[in-house]
Amino acid sequence: DAKTTQPNSMESNEEEPVHLPCNHSTISGTDYIHWYRQLPSQGPEYVIHGLTSNVNNRMASLAIAEDRKSSTLILHRATLRDAAVYYCILRGGMNYGGSQGNLIFGKGTKLSVKP
Amino acid sequence: KAGVTQTPRYLIKTRGQQVTLSCSPISGHRSVSWYQQTPGQGLQFLFEYFSETQRNKGNFPGRFSGRQFSNSRSEMNVSTLELGDSALYLCASSFGTSGGAHTDTQYFGPGTRLTVL
Repeated sequence: DAKTTQPNSMESNEEEPVHLPCNHSTISGTDYIHWYRQLPSQGPEYVIHGLTSNVNNRMASLAIAEDRKSSTLILHRATLRDAAVYYCILRGGMNYGGSQGNLIFGKGTKLSVKP
Repeated sequence: KAGVTQTPRYLIKTRGQQVTLSCSPISGHRSVSWYQQTPGQGLQFLFEYFSETQRNKGNFPGRFSGRQFSNSRSEMNVSTLELGDSALYLCASSFGTSGGAHTDTQYFGPGTRLTVL
């Protein structure tokens, strides 16, 4: 899986939008962009994923640059419960064997939300 | 639908002992993956099981092993425990088939906190 680069930490105010950036300049054409987050004392949880087009779900939106070398996870109104470490992960290939079947986590971005 | 469950939630062992951790996946999921999380190394992939077969393996010594049963429940075992094995061990389940690996969402359990003294 290709590498991603994220800021170590970010701060946000409650009820304001948050834009979490991720750079993946070596992304290949078949790599999907996944976001997971890990709340304190919990296992990671899936947030969203996309390939080329922007994606929305009940948790967040994913904006993908036209050249796919970067993406942004958007939390429209941050709440205290959104304080977590956010991981941007690239997943490529259909096959489950080798390195493609597992998630490769980087350091992620630690998001703090101030009331 | 019940989530991924892991037992026990906390364990304390001493060096040289062995330990077995258990994971029950979400109903219908056939893939179970195990991860180790430490402050220094972050989240690292251990291995993945699908239909009772190890399909994928990370870069860990042979002291770390696992298995999967016919009901998709999985166990991982660590033998001859070392201080450095103290970590949060996370289990994740997924369908493991639909759409291919690149779109297969993994659902994580709360983890087992292992402390080796």
